[in-house]
Amino acid sequence: NAGVTQTPKFRILKIGQSMTLQCTQDMNHNYMYWYRQDPGMGLKLIYYSVGAGITDKGEVPNGYNVSRSTTEDFPLRLELAAPSQTSVYFCASRNGLAGGVADTQYFGPGTRLTVL
Amino acid sequence: RKEVEQDPGPFNVPEGATVAFNCTYSNSASQSFFWYRQDCRKEPKLLMSVYSSGNEDGRFTAQLNRASQYISLLIRDSKLSDSATYLCVDTTSGTYKYIFGTGTRLKVLA
Repeated sequence: NAGVTQTPKFRILKIGQSMTLQCTQDMNHNYMYWYRQDPGMGLKLIYYSVGAGITDKGEVPNGYNVSRSTTEDFPLRLELAAPSQTSVYFCASRNGLAGGVADTQYFGPGTRLTVL
Repeated sequence: RKEVEQDPGPFNVPEGATVAFNCTYSNSASQSFFWYRQDCRKEPKLLMSVYSSGNEDGRFTAQLNRASQYISLLIRDSKLSDSATYLCVDTTSGTYKYIFGTGTRLKVLA
């Protein structure tokens, strides 16, 4: 049981390049999330999904896109990378069906992205 | 006012000390919270849940004060390994989203 996995661990992009950050969970969770965390700062929600085929914007969605074609995968696409997107990106998931009781949100190990 | 607010710290304490920090929340209807721990350059991980009756797990005690709208985390007999950032999480304010605080940094000194 690997939990939440993310690839790549590190990446350096040039301004204007595009890339996809991969996220996979093997816990059959319904809810998945993408956050970014700038140095010394808190988590900011980029996008989230409550199930396959359903996605919605978080607080900082500009410059990103997501898709959720399966329960397991929730890739994050960066188009036209900018230096402001230099950050650590965390994917997370949780079940979301716990009879009203808050359930644990599990995070992946993160992708460290630098845009130069 | 932010939905969840934390003192960023750092709180510098000697080994063996007791330290406590609070987290205030704005939604009076919130009833369920978590404390997460985040080590430097690592992902956040669940430390403990916070219920209205409080929660204790070894050296860690979490309390919820609904009248004043804050939760607290008390760490007794601090260890060097407790050095980390502690994130407060409101699990009920958002429909599908947990609301994370920006974290309180703790440094335990030898």
